[in-house]
Amino acid sequence: GENVEQHPSTLSVQEGDSAVIKCTYSDSASNYFPWYKQELGKRPQLIIDIRSNVGEKKDQRIAVTLNKTAKHFSLHITETQPEDSAVYFCAAKVQGAQKLVFGQGTRLTINP
Amino acid sequence: EADIYQTPRYLVIGTGKKITLECSQTMGHDKMYWYQQDPGMELHLIHYSYGVNSTEKGDLSSESTVSRIRTEHFPLTLESARPSHTSQYLCASKLGTDTQYFGPGTRLTVL
Repeated sequence: GENVEQHPSTLSVQEGDSAVIKCTYSDSASNYFPWYKQELGKRPQLIIDIRSNVGEKKDQRIAVTLNKTAKHFSLHITETQPEDSAVYFCAAKVQGAQKLVFGQGTRLTINP
Repeated sequence: EADIYQTPRYLVIGTGKKITLECSQTMGHDKMYWYQQDPGMELHLIHYSYGVNSTEKGDLSSESTVSRIRTEHFPLTLESARPSHTSQYLCASKLGTDTQYFGPGTRLTVL
């Protein structure tokens, strides 16, 4: 079955700098890749997603890139702010499957 | 307002008790999921449902059971709670291949 590896497990950056989180997946039939942000004590919330027919997607300060050949996708956050501090999860869904497979999570800390 | 609701939000219970965690969604979603998550850690899928009268076990072995008698309702039951069941339980739902939404979670402590 699908396996998703997420790195790094923890990431600390200075406010205003960029942060990058990377995920690799194993099943080339995966076609949907969402990213969730989970703030302390809150539920995971979708922040951006990308489908396999697109290589890059942006939404203000966040962007996701997908490399289907290498089977990896990345979350990019620019001009980081303290409110970006959270745990971020990537996920992948195999075409036709009913469930998402999540990465292990990355705890991002933005230092003022 | 369309959302996913979980009750109770917090539960402290003694070993051996039977408990049911409730999950309801008002969005007409066909697929529903239960995850177990220690705070800030990995999300472990324990059960899911494609629709009414369908349930499947997830990737993490669990001593819980689920039922899906109505589209909007997906309760999770532990017949005999143990301290190892102490965790947060998150319910989620989606329609077809659309975005998956999470509920607020139930934080369970078994003494």
